[in-house]
Amino acid sequence: DAGVTQSPTHLIKTRGQQVTLRCSPKSGHDTVSWYQQALGQGPQFIFQYYEEEERQRGNFPDRFSGHQFPNYSSELNVNALLLGDSALYLCASSLAGSGPSLYNEQFFGPGTRLTVL
Amino acid sequence: AQSVTQPDIHITVSEGASLELRCNYSYGATPYLFWYVQSPGQGLQLLLKYFSGDTLVQGIKGFEAEFKRSQSSFNLRKPSVHWSDAAEYFCAVGQYGGATNKLIFGTGTLLAVQP
Repeated sequence: DAGVTQSPTHLIKTRGQQVTLRCSPKSGHDTVSWYQQALGQGPQFIFQYYEEEERQRGNFPDRFSGHQFPNYSSELNVNALLLGDSALYLCASSLAGSGPSLYNEQFFGPGTRLTVL
Repeated sequence: AQSVTQPDIHITVSEGASLELRCNYSYGATPYLFWYVQSPGQGLQLLLKYFSGDTLVQGIKGFEAEFKRSQSSFNLRKPSVHWSDAAEYFCAVGQYGGATNKLIFGTGTLLAVQP
């Protein structure tokens, strides 16, 4: 089991550009969540995808959008990049559930380091 | 609103010494609490979690945490620290509603281990 994988590992963009980050969930998982971790901060929830739809969204602008594919993999897109978008972007996968349980633990990938110049 | 506070930004301990990392939470209902560890260049690894039951929770790598409702705390402990424990540690509370689950993280505590 490869666990959660993310690509690319590192990315450098300039202000105003657009970026796409990719995530493959752990085998058997159907839910993908994205988090932004700025330097010196804890991860912040961006949004979550289940059944190819955005299920919940954190306090992030519409410049941040996503997609989930039928194979449960997911993309995070960020448009009109700002310097403040520089961060580690973490993907987490889990099983869908209506509440906390031992079965919907989130497993995190290694992240994509985005630098905006 | 739910929140997690980790008062210590940076802690240094000697190898073999005991460790306690503090975590306080604000949550209206029964909290579901987690501790994660992040090594440089790595993602987050779950150390332990508290959902219900026994308030002393055992985790991986010799870590344990105690849930104290009266103090809104979930402190992480280890009796004897190893050099390989140097990493950043995050406390989180799970928020569940409808068909979603998300984690609200603290700002982390960076642990350095002296030989």
